[in-house]
Amino acid sequence: QSVLTQPRSASGTPGQRVTISCSGSSSNIGINTVSWYHQLPGTAPKLLIHSNNQRPSGVPDRFSGSKSGTSASLAISGLQSEDEADYYCATWDDSLNGMVFGGGTKLTVL
Amino acid sequence: QVQLVESGGGVVQPGWSLRLSCAASGFTFSSFGMHWVRQAPGKGLEWVAVIWHDGNKIYYGDPVKGRFTISRDNSKNTLYLEMNSLRVEDTAVYYCARDRYSSGNDAFSVWGQGTLVTVSS
Repeated sequence: QSVLTQPRSASGTPGQRVTISCSGSSSNIGINTVSWYHQLPGTAPKLLIHSNNQRPSGVPDRFSGSKSGTSASLAISGLQSEDEADYYCATWDDSLNGMVFGGGTKLTVL
Repeated sequence: QVQLVESGGGVVQPGWSLRLSCAASGFTFSSFGMHWVRQAPGKGLEWVAVIWHDGNKIYYGDPVKGRFTISRDNSKNTLYLEMNSLRVEDTAVYYCARDRYSSGNDAFSVWGQGTLVTVSS
């Protein structure tokens, strides 16, 4: 069972906006920044969002992140077929003294 | 270009040891915290260990504490993971990942391609 809680699956049609939630606690999301990753089958994960809402260069502005209290969200607007992947949230946990991940959300583009 | 290349994976029996390496290039290795992250077949990502840029802080995930050792050689631009007393449940693709900062508690900004470790009798 993961320290951070994500829905196992999410879906949307091309062009739609979807959001993926990530719930934590006061020892992790509540006091540290959240990052988001996506992973295509058979490939390494890739950083999508860091510092709660910052996109690395090269990441389309269709991807956005937010954080409130002990929860965070990833929003994908203008959904495209190539967005079909697994998405993970992560942050540092001050009680565990380590990075923690969400269990991952499989996004399906219908 | 910025690159991380893992090596050392393979098939071992339970109780055996294995040493993974991660060769870094294209950036100043000694300026960044480094992590190991693993992914069991069909499962999600699991953080394994982190070492600060200068090696002065090291932390481990509970499942590997006391069995795995993370280290780095900044003169060789290489990260290591010494894995002892391997268990079937350690079977996974092991990724090395660079932190955004010299510490190791921010985000994984660069990932290697991974190396597969299979523990089986």
